[in-house]
Amino acid sequence: SAVISQKPSRDICQRGTSLTIQCQVDSQVTMMFWYRQQPGQSLTLIATANQGSEATYESGFVIDKFPISRPNLTFSTLTVSNMSPEDSSIYLCSVSPGTYGYTFGSGTRLTVV
Amino acid sequence: AQSVTQLDSHVSVSEGTPVLLRCNYSSSYSPSLFWYVQHPNKGLQLLLKYTSAATLVKGINGFEAEFKKSETSFHLTKPSAHMSDAAEYFCVVSGGTNFGNEKLTFGTGTRLTIIP
Repeated sequence: SAVISQKPSRDICQRGTSLTIQCQVDSQVTMMFWYRQQPGQSLTLIATANQGSEATYESGFVIDKFPISRPNLTFSTLTVSNMSPEDSSIYLCSVSPGTYGYTFGSGTRLTVV
Repeated sequence: AQSVTQLDSHVSVSEGTPVLLRCNYSSSYSPSLFWYVQHPNKGLQLLLKYTSAATLVKGINGFEAEFKKSETSFHLTKPSAHMSDAAEYFCVVSGGTNFGNEKLTFGTGTRLTIIP
């Protein structure tokens, strides 16, 4: 299975600022997925990032709030912009490089104060 | 469209007794189904997956799940619970035929508590 390095692991941010989360994969993958896990809840897909094209966002998520970059087949970033306390969540990236299944990063625990 | 329903938000069992975590799914395609476990303050770990091969799937740590198309179910079981099994469990579905390039839909999770 793939190994994902996700940074930062946690951060405390002031409201109105932005945070960029990075995911580095140890193999080339076509799709990368970004999820949000709000406190005590399940995971919700934010967007799907395909290398060389704009990300596809799920209902309720917009590019201005969660811009995504996918410059190559092993790397992606998610930015949480103009943060408010409601953005306090765990953010995870995920890939599936083969038939093993979907691998997740260790997550970024974001607290907005 | 796809969805997954975890029928129990919280399950408590005594150590050494069987575990049953229930999951029903809905998918427009032949689904791929997964169970993931999340220990407190840890990442998600794949327990097992079903991708249209054998209907009884064996996973890690003694867990297994049976895909029942007629009942649209994919329940997770373990014969004997261990204290280390205490965690949150997620049933997950992905639809379509482009495995690896499809979005996942997560259930709401089942918190498993093990009573000493």
